[in-house]
Amino acid sequence: DAGVIQSPRHEVTEMGQEVTLRCKPISGHDYLFWYRQTMMRGLELLIYFNNNVPIDDSGMPEDRFSAKMPNASFSTLKIQPSEPRDSAVYFCASSLRGTGFGNTIYFGEGSWLTVV
Amino acid sequence: DAKTTQPNSMESNEEEPVHLPCNHSTISGTDYIHWYRQLPSQGPEYVIHGLTSNVNNRMASLAIAEDRKSSTLILHRATLRDAAVYYCILTYGGSQGNLIFGKGTKLSVKP
Repeated sequence: DAGVIQSPRHEVTEMGQEVTLRCKPISGHDYLFWYRQTMMRGLELLIYFNNNVPIDDSGMPEDRFSAKMPNASFSTLKIQPSEPRDSAVYFCASSLRGTGFGNTIYFGEGSWLTVV
Repeated sequence: DAKTTQPNSMESNEEEPVHLPCNHSTISGTDYIHWYRQLPSQGPEYVIHGLTSNVNNRMASLAIAEDRKSSTLILHRATLRDAAVYYCILTYGGSQGNLIFGKGTKLSVKP
């Protein structure tokens, strides 16, 4: 399998612009997770989906962030408008059955976002 | 959520065994112990997990204390490629989305 695929790998954008990050989970996985990683806060769970339905978005920092999963093979994380403090690495991950009962999740290589 | 405590950093020599400790004194009976690692500029990757018994796989071994309040990830023969941040994480058996990462242990491997 190709693993979790994220795009773009790197993006530099100006403050105020819209940013869209994309993710293709591993085929057959029912769970999809979006994480953000910064030096200050480490790895934070932003939102996760089960069968394309958002289950917990309590980690989404504010209304400027939105995530969708229109089908089982595609998800987007959108930031509008972007701010310099959004600069981070955004990871998408997927799992066959979530994280309970010893299940494992598989991460993509990340999207490195810089907002100037 | 039950918390874990890990040393901030550790050093090892190449080709020697490495024992990475993790304390989880508030672990509950249904919590699984997971280890993930993150190589530089990459996403985290699964290493190993266990519930009560010691576990072995091709990457590492996991030794779990009898009272389950601590565990140790064992790399039998460290290589330069094992230099990474290692995260010890507890997951509640019945939960689906609470893989919460702490700061982990940064492992340096010297040639």
